[in-house]
Amino acid sequence: ILNVEQSPQSLHVQEGDSTNFTCSFPSSNFYALHWYRWETAKSPEALFVMTLNGDEKKKGRISATLNTKEGYSYLYIKGSQPEDSATYLCAPSGSGYALNFGKGTSLLVTP
Amino acid sequence: EPEVTQTPSHQVTQMGQEVILRCVPISNHLYFYWYRQILGQKVEFLVSFYNNEISEKSEIFDDQFSVERPDGSNFTLKIRSTKLEDSAMYFCASTDRRSGELFFGEGSRLTVL
Repeated sequence: ILNVEQSPQSLHVQEGDSTNFTCSFPSSNFYALHWYRWETAKSPEALFVMTLNGDEKKKGRISATLNTKEGYSYLYIKGSQPEDSATYLCAPSGSGYALNFGKGTSLLVTP
Repeated sequence: EPEVTQTPSHQVTQMGQEVILRCVPISNHLYFYWYRQILGQKVEFLVSFYNNEISEKSEIFDDQFSVERPDGSNFTLKIRSTKLEDSAMYFCASTDRRSGELFFGEGSRLTVL
């Protein structure tokens, strides 16, 4: 199981602002990096799974990048909307089966 | 759209009682997981299950915990003798491939009194 750190812990932005968060993990024994979106009172929902160094993925206004050599991933949200308010979790996986989730970044977008 | 279903949604039990949480993963998925989140804390990995056996487990998953896939559709988590600190939201998840995106159920909230 790979350790993971996410920052910032929480973020409050205005509608229309762009924002980004960081996920850090050990670069050794890395297999894949997952991002999940978790809205209050719902279950976590997968955003991206990335495996290759330099991977970039995009879904609408949300995108993510991966640097496996230095052990970090960024999640970007362009033009944040109130419906983007959620906790964003990242989870690296190594040679095992388990995803170890970070504590998450709690995003609040106000109109 | 296929989904992971969990029952019960909420269970209240007395300390020392046995609890079984049930999950029906997505039908063509092969890898199954239990996670939990104690209120205010991070989502913690408990156990993964593949090919009818535990593939990995965390330190949390001690002798009080067990998992079963009794009939090819249900995936259960049993806590033999619950403790106060077992109070948490328990999430089941499944995926069709190792390190594939996880599909989570809505969770079972366990309250131990």
